[in-house]
Amino acid sequence: GAVVSQHPSWVICKSGTSVKIECRSLDFQATTMFWYRQFPKQSLMLMATSNEGSKATYEQGVEKDKFLINHASLTLSTLTVTSAHPEDSSFYICSAPAQGADTQYFGPGTRLTVL
Amino acid sequence: QKEVEQDPGPLSVPEGAIVSLNCTYSNSAFQYFMWYRQYSRKGPELLMYTYSSGNKEDGRFTAQVDKSSKYISLFIRDSQPSDSATYLCAVVQGAQKLVFGQGTRLTINP
Repeated sequence: GAVVSQHPSWVICKSGTSVKIECRSLDFQATTMFWYRQFPKQSLMLMATSNEGSKATYEQGVEKDKFLINHASLTLSTLTVTSAHPEDSSFYICSAPAQGADTQYFGPGTRLTVL
Repeated sequence: QKEVEQDPGPLSVPEGAIVSLNCTYSNSAFQYFMWYRQYSRKGPELLMYTYSSGNKEDGRFTAQVDKSSKYISLFIRDSQPSDSATYLCAVVQGAQKLVFGQGTRLTINP
């Protein structure tokens, strides 16, 4: 199956700093990628749709100025959490649909802890 | 009403038991249904994918969809301790966006 990677797998940062998370499709191209957030013992909540070469589409209630998304190539999308606060601590997961498929493949996730 | 409802459990069964996991959805327009397995602190892994009513089998796993009642199920036969994980149902909402159920935490006891 298709492989999606994320980097870093775990990051700890101080409150007020910015953190960048990368999502890569390793063996296929993805014009669209999705970013999710998952709090402990809860399901995945879609944050935004990342579109290669254009602006991301954010879900209702997600601050676009806080969660900056860039999809600069067909294999890379980045999520930057700006001015992170402890309440931003969560598990961030990206996914990408393989070409010609209706299914999505998920990255391994990035655990963000803001102190 | 949530678009996808799933009993969060937890569900605990003995090894070898048949496990039944269920979800309901609210919008009859949903066409594609998936089951993902997620181990602790890992990304979800696609288990089963179906788009029609009926059963789809893959090894010990069977996905069942009943569009008339908007009900989807995942059955696990001969359950193993390694099946212990959170199981998430999902529907495709459109433009490839997934909507997930809450997830059911499953423990298989040796």
